[in-house]
Amino acid sequence: GAVVSQHPSRVICKSGTSVKIECRSLDFQATTMFWYRQFPKQSLMLMATSNEGSKATYEQGVEKDKFLINHASLTLSTLTVTSAHPEDSSFYICSARKETYEQYFGPGTRLTVT
Amino acid sequence: GQQLNQSPQSMFIQEGEDVSMNCTSSSIFNTWLWYKQEPGEGPVLLIALYKAGELTSNGRLTAQFGITRKDSFLNISASIPSDVGIYFCAGLYAGKSTFGDGTTLTVKP
Repeated sequence: GAVVSQHPSRVICKSGTSVKIECRSLDFQATTMFWYRQFPKQSLMLMATSNEGSKATYEQGVEKDKFLINHASLTLSTLTVTSAHPEDSSFYICSARKETYEQYFGPGTRLTVT
Repeated sequence: GQQLNQSPQSMFIQEGEDVSMNCTSSSIFNTWLWYKQEPGEGPVLLIALYKAGELTSNGRLTAQFGITRKDSFLNISASIPSDVGIYFCAGLYAGKSTFGDGTTLTVKP
């Protein structure tokens, strides 16, 4: 199989604080991981592509200084939401890509900023 | 960039009915993937298709890679209540994935 984990599954933070979300590929190595954001009843919105050992590639309109991505190893990528605001509240999902190019998704992280 | 048109956007069906959804594009893809997302969860890969014309089944699910490489469909036979969720297609080309907007399936018992 191909298992991707995310931690935490839910987080509530106060406005102005930072939150880190971890994405791990548990049984395969992933040189490329992706971070998505999803609003209720909407599709997946790609935020950035995370490449191991190099800088992430951000989609247009996504602030790289606000959403810090670090792909420290072949099995771990992190997304840090800095200076969070209520409008950052959302469902964040990561995925990891195998060598055969299939993407496997994590279970998602529900972020609520109060 | 490449775009996928996934249809229908939503479906309301009776338990036991068959379901069909599809994705089309003006661009060609080398791989088609179908995912299912349940509320509060991440998408789960259901079927992967690698060759034009390929027809693959996974239980009650059947998906086909269109012969033109520009489309794919997913069929669900004899639907059951636990089939509810959002189904996404994804086309892959040159290492890049393009996702459809999803088909929301509701199954009435």
